[in-house]
Amino acid sequence: DAGVTQSPTHLIKTRGQQVTLRCSPKSGHDTVSWYQQALGQGPQFIFQYYEEEERQRGNFPDRFSGHQFPNYSSELNVNALLLGDSALYLCASSLAGLGENIQYFGAGTRLSVL
Amino acid sequence: GQNIDQPTEMTATEGAIVQINCTYQTSGFNGLFWYQQHAGEAPTFLSYNVLDGLEEKGRFSSFLSRSKGYSYLLLKELQMKDSASYLCAVNSGGYQKVTFGIGTKLQVIP
Repeated sequence: DAGVTQSPTHLIKTRGQQVTLRCSPKSGHDTVSWYQQALGQGPQFIFQYYEEEERQRGNFPDRFSGHQFPNYSSELNVNALLLGDSALYLCASSLAGLGENIQYFGAGTRLSVL
Repeated sequence: GQNIDQPTEMTATEGAIVQINCTYQTSGFNGLFWYQQHAGEAPTFLSYNVLDGLEEKGRFSSFLSRSKGYSYLLLKELQMKDSASYLCAVNSGGYQKVTFGIGTKLQVIP
């Protein structure tokens, strides 16, 4: 049973560029959440996708956008990169509906903006 | 808004017991998670408390008091591999939004 997988594992970009990060959820999960984790901080919620729609969003600018595909996989896009966007980007999957809705995390994509 | 507080760092001795506290203020509380995160790795699920009281899973236990907005994670028989950050996270709202605290970096020393 494959867990949450993310690609790429590392990425280096320059200011002003655009980046796309990818996530495949754990088998059987239908909800994908994205988080940004700066060094020494807890993960910060970016947004959550369910049924191919953004269901809720954290306090991030419109430069951060996403998409969910029919197979539940998801992409995170960041436009006009800033130095401050350098962080570990985590994807977490869960199953919507009643219950614990435990989020399972991928290994993350470490983005460096130069 | 939501506010989650936990100590930033703790040190404990191998074989001992350590308690990591977390206080929170939130609306629409559904439950509270504890995750473990080793340096450079993804968070891994430890526990989820919905109701008041203590839940035990092997060496790890988690406690919740909803009226006090308080939780703790108890780690017994500490091992060197328990050196990691421990994240307290609150599940709130109709869409199960999860908000994380800053994390408590635990160092286990011989």
